[in-house]
Amino acid sequence: QVQLVQSGAEVKKPGASVKVSCKASEYTFTGHYMHWVRQAPGQGLEWMGWINPNSGNTNYAQTFQGRVTMTRDTSISTAYMELSRLISDDTAVYYCARDVTGGSVFDPWGQGTLVTVSS
Amino acid sequence: DIQMTQSPSSLSASVGDRLTITCRASQSISTYLNWYQQKSGKAPKLLIYAASSLQSGVPSRFSGGGSGSDFTLTISSLQPEDFATYYCQQSYSIPLTFGGGTKVEIK
Repeated sequence: QVQLVQSGAEVKKPGASVKVSCKASEYTFTGHYMHWVRQAPGQGLEWMGWINPNSGNTNYAQTFQGRVTMTRDTSISTAYMELSRLISDDTAVYYCARDVTGGSVFDPWGQGTLVTVSS
Repeated sequence: DIQMTQSPSSLSASVGDRLTITCRASQSISTYLNWYQQKSGKAPKLLIYAASSLQSGVPSRFSGGGSGSDFTLTISSLQPEDFATYYCQQSYSIPLTFGGGTKVEIK
């Protein structure tokens, strides 16, 4: 079945960067946009942006403009999300999610990657 | 940005209860509204898309309705595995936004 498998938990110091990977399987990777969504501890869901794996085009939420970079490697069906200049408020679980319909509907989601920012 | 407001933020219910959660958008979004279920420590799971279309594999006790700015998610007969947090999400415009969630707990 369609699956997204993310990289493991990370602990970073304030000011550092983190890069999370999301490996897709059992579907045509270049045929579906990939979105990234984060969830701070005990909080709701926050959309970060998307990448078109076919073209590499991206669209980032204004909140993250200048700090987030989404890339992909089509040879290994993997999407990446890099967040720079980390602060404590960036502590969250980061999810990748496939756009199943082409209309920003997310299914499935990766299992999530916990990023902890702490000095 | 479109603000999504869910109500209630939490509720207690019993197995077998009929349950309705509401989601209101700050402007009209036609039927560009999706519902997700999230269990503790797990990733969200798509239940309903385009306001009323049931995702494949999701039990028929889940249903969605509404258009414009007011939407509902209904569970016709609550089952033990339905205790979770539910989120609505608008896919009408960027930035995509989610409601604050409704936590369904056991009474």
